Amino acid sequence: GESVGLHLPTLSVQEGDNSIINCAYSNSASDYFIWYKQESGKGPQFIIDIRSNMDKRQGQRVTVLLNKTVKHLSLQIAATQPGDSAVYFCPSAGKLIFGQGTTLQVKP
Amino acid sequence: DAGVIQSPRHEVTEMGQEVTLRCKPISGHNSLFWYRQTMMRGLELLIYFNNNVPIDDSGMPEDRFSAKMPNASFSTLKIQPSEPRDSAVYFCASSFRGRSSQPQHFGDGTRLSIL
Repeated sequence: GESVGLHLPTLSVQEGDNSIINCAYSNSASDYFIWYKQESGKGPQFIIDIRSNMDKRQGQRVTVLLNKTVKHLSLQIAATQPGDSAVYFCPSAGKLIFGQGTTLQVKP
Repeated sequence: DAGVIQSPRHEVTEMGQEVTLRCKPISGHNSLFWYRQTMMRGLELLIYFNNNVPIDDSGMPEDRFSAKMPNASFSTLKIQPSEPRDSAVYFCASSFRGRSSQPQHFGDGTRLSIL
């Protein structure tokens, strides 16, 4: 299965499903995009980035997709695990505006 | 490799007291950021330094807040006098800003409670 969070504050998924967290940006000149993961009691940690000359970048179980036409960014997590439960940020405006992020809750 | 080190991890104090939060960035990083995180406002930038010089302090709430970076390996965020609404988790982050952008590395934060 697959769940998509379109800028929702919370996304709840079943363990083992794929997750998609979406993000929009407004600055067409942005050339670098980052996803951070914040686990409870810790600071945000870098998980994956992508530069504007790419459309897709894959890591271990995570994939970031960049659609420059509609200024949209997404983070896909394959086979979501309980350890993926966290708040995810895609900061914009020079990577300094984080906001509330999207909370991913993984149900066992 | 040591990451960003913040101290103290927890601070509980009474309103009106001075609070000093400390940060040691990653060696070699030339940019340092202070953030505040609350349930209501999320993670918001307070101030950032580049090569020890404050570049943007527009996020600093008011004159009760001040930040310094006397050298490349140390920064402080001071609140004087503190108020209950300052209760939050304060994060410090560092990065290397060169010709290409790089991600920020965050410390584990200082959880501040003002009674």
